[in-house]
Amino acid sequence: GENVEQHPSTLSVQEGDSAVIKCTYSDSASNYFPWYKQELGKGPQLIIDIRSNVGEKKDQRIAVTLNKTAKHFSLHITETQPEDSAVYFCAAKANSGYALNFGKGTSLLVTP
Amino acid sequence: DGGITQSPKYLFRKEGQNVTLSCEQNLNHDAMYWYRQDPGQGLRLIYYSQIVNDFQKGDIAEGYSVSREKKESFPLTVTSAQKNPTAFYLCASRHASGLNYEQYFGPGTRLTVT
Repeated sequence: GENVEQHPSTLSVQEGDSAVIKCTYSDSASNYFPWYKQELGKGPQLIIDIRSNVGEKKDQRIAVTLNKTAKHFSLHITETQPEDSAVYFCAAKANSGYALNFGKGTSLLVTP
Repeated sequence: DGGITQSPKYLFRKEGQNVTLSCEQNLNHDAMYWYRQDPGQGLRLIYYSQIVNDFQKGDIAEGYSVSREKKESFPLTVTSAQKNPTAFYLCASRHASGLNYEQYFGPGTRLTVT
């Protein structure tokens, strides 16, 4: 089955700096890659996603890039703010019922 | 106010007891999913259902059961056969039309079994 690796597991940045989280996937047939933000004790919230027919997608301070050849995709957060502090998960669409295979998450801490 | 609700938020059970977690959605979504989350781990798929009266096992279905009698409801039963049931359980749903892949999650239920 699909295997999604996510790095780093923890990331600490200063407010205003950029943060980058990277993921790799194993199934070359995967064609959908969402990113979720999860705050403590809450369910994950979809923040951005990308399909395999595009290489980059932006939404204000958040961007995702996809390299299909290398089978990796990344989340970029610019001008980080303390409220960006959370756990971020990458995922890749699986074959089974369009379920998602998740990375293990990155705990992002933005310090003022 | 549309969304996915899970109840209760916290659930405590004694070992050996079955327990059912509720998941309801009013988004008119066709597909529903159950995931399990453990500390420091990603989400792992337990069961999913793409239409009413049909469901499929995910990667870690052993010790769990589900039903899908109504489109808006997808309850999960954690049976006594589940060896390590303490975890955070998340329900998600998706509108299964065309190439719509987006999944939306509920707030989760934290189950503690002692």
